[in-house]
Amino acid sequence: EAGVAQSPRYKIIEKRQSVAFWCNPISGHATLYWYQQILGQGPKLLIQFQNNGVVDDSQLPKDRFSAERLKGVDSTLKIQPAKLEDSAVYLCASSLGLGRTDTQYFGPGTRLTVL
Amino acid sequence: DQQVKQNSPSLSVQEGRISILNCDYTNSMFDYFLWYKKYPAEGPTFLISISSIKDKNEDGRFTVFLNKSAKHLSLHIVPSQPGDSAVYFCAASARETSGSRLTFGEGTQLTVNP
Repeated sequence: EAGVAQSPRYKIIEKRQSVAFWCNPISGHATLYWYQQILGQGPKLLIQFQNNGVVDDSQLPKDRFSAERLKGVDSTLKIQPAKLEDSAVYLCASSLGLGRTDTQYFGPGTRLTVL
Repeated sequence: DQQVKQNSPSLSVQEGRISILNCDYTNSMFDYFLWYKKYPAEGPTFLISISSIKDKNEDGRFTVFLNKSAKHLSLHIVPSQPGDSAVYFCAASARETSGSRLTFGEGTQLTVNP
């Protein structure tokens, strides 16, 4: 079974530029998550989708971050414009359903460096 | 506000001995707890979980203990193996939280020496 795919794996941009990350969840997984992991910290949930609807985006900085999952499968996360403090690993995860006991499977992440 | 804390950034043990990783939480609404393991350049992978109705859950070499009154949980690995060397994250969720949001600790780097 293929895991969660993410691209690109690494990205370096200047501050105030825009960047987008892509995620393809495990086939059949209805729930998709985007996490931000800053160096030395644990992952922090940015947004959670159930199919193509948003379940939780309370921790998403909506002035610069946006995410979509138009067809309920793959998803993109965008930052526009980027700030230095956005340097982090962006992790995508998916789970079969919305239940708290549904295991979240993580992709390898995209490491973003903002200069 | 760090609701889940792992106070030890690193832990080093000898192969064959016990590894004990600790985690404290402050939010009394947390009722489901998980441990994830992370190797370099990979995403975290689920290891073991425990519900607040239990105080212990075991899976092979891994056992998680929950002390609700102390708001503390620990992960025991016995015996430790070099392949267990990784970053371990403690995570928690609350029933009232929308969806299935996990709140993670900062992680503990475990090194198992041959």
